[in-house]
Amino acid sequence: DQQVKQNSPSLSVQEGRISILNCDYTNSMFDYFLWYKKYPAEGPTFLISISSIKDKNEDGRFTVFLNKSAKHLSLHIVPSQPGDSAVYFCAANLRGFGNEKLTFGTGTRLTIIP
Amino acid sequence: KAGVTQTPRYLIKTRGQQVTLSCSPISGHRSVSWYQQTPGQGLQFLFEYFSETQRNKGNFPGRFSGRQFSNSRSEMNVSTLELGDSALYLCASSSLITETQYFGPGTRLLVL
Repeated sequence: DQQVKQNSPSLSVQEGRISILNCDYTNSMFDYFLWYKKYPAEGPTFLISISSIKDKNEDGRFTVFLNKSAKHLSLHIVPSQPGDSAVYFCAANLRGFGNEKLTFGTGTRLTIIP
Repeated sequence: KAGVTQTPRYLIKTRGQQVTLSCSPISGHRSVSWYQQTPGQGLQFLFEYFSETQRNKGNFPGRFSGRQFSNSRSEMNVSTLELGDSALYLCASSSLITETQYFGPGTRLLVL
């Protein structure tokens, strides 16, 4: 049962344009969401997170949007740069003392075309 | 602050052997989680330790075990290795304040 889904396995975007990565979840109890960037043979690097009490969080070129009614979140990267080429994972968590289990999506490979 | 460190970075073992992987969390982080990444299954949660106690466990067989020491360092052990255990094993640490897990570089295990 895939509770967190990234339906696009890959995405190509021209340098300078906006990259939009999408993620859907099924468990309405998830209350904290994160995006990680991953290069091959390396650990995921934390990018940005959002709590379920918010619908938007920005950090530099990265913005995450959360639509709780649709159980959907998206990551916007503006402007896209060649160094953004990597695999992006969304992850969800049920916070609270005693739960540090992240449920990951299957990832989207982003390729920025120079 | 130094990041999460994992040793060794690469390992080659044969079926039936056992392996121990080590993880040192970010200073001050008391929670350590372990994940397995394979091409077919993606990133799967193994277990999480906090203050030397296992708090959460994923759906992996009993051959996968772990422990955490008083300094928050953690080890993961896999006994009776199978070919399907070949994967990237990732460790992540977090604190009650950050609520975000930070990952180490991983240990690449190849079982022949």
